[in-house]
Amino acid sequence: AQKITQTQPGMFVQEKEAVTLDCTYDTSDQSYGLFWYKQPSSGEMIFLIYQGSYDEQNATEGRYSLNFQKARKSANLVISASQLGDSAMYFCAMREASGGYQKVTFGTGTKLQVIP
Amino acid sequence: GAVVSQHPSRVICKSGTSVKIECRSLDFQATTMFWYRQFPKQSLMLMATSNEGSKATYEQGVEKDKFLINHASLTLSTLTVTSAHPEDSSFYICSARARSYEQYFGPGTRLTVT
Repeated sequence: AQKITQTQPGMFVQEKEAVTLDCTYDTSDQSYGLFWYKQPSSGEMIFLIYQGSYDEQNATEGRYSLNFQKARKSANLVISASQLGDSAMYFCAMREASGGYQKVTFGTGTKLQVIP
Repeated sequence: GAVVSQHPSRVICKSGTSVKIECRSLDFQATTMFWYRQFPKQSLMLMATSNEGSKATYEQGVEKDKFLINHASLTLSTLTVTSAHPEDSSFYICSARARSYEQYFGPGTRLTVT
């Protein structure tokens, strides 16, 4: 079964508008972490935001916020006031304990294109 | 933020040769480093977890004799692709964990095996 599911292979958003990228996860751990990364066409991965499973408040980092709904096991990324430079692949990831060590599993990604 | 470098950024090698990729954390000590492989238009696939001073833990299906990982210090991990074949051509990315949850990625290495 997929640990991380991103159901939107591609998204378009108008510049200056907000966009939500979906992510659902599956884990039996009580303690886990959720991340979002941005991957521009150049290939490097850029850390955007983190949410711990015990964090009561949704994480925010500048224009990025994570809509964490624990009961639904969803961790959607909201980008406000989209900019042309936001066009990239976005990966949702989860950190959990597995076999005595921690590992991070990535979703398949969502390609976001910002339209001028 | 923390910086992770990879060297080389691009490498072309002939089939049957070995290639070493370095991953360095430049301004922090990383007790754990991860190696990923990314196929075109696909997500990252975790290959192995590397802990300083101990043997790497490989994911299922990853040949440890083919992808040799050495984590000799708190700032350096190396991935050696031995006897490379064209199917090993891919984008290899390392990451290093700084604190309890932050993981920083290197810029990646594009390997092309001819």
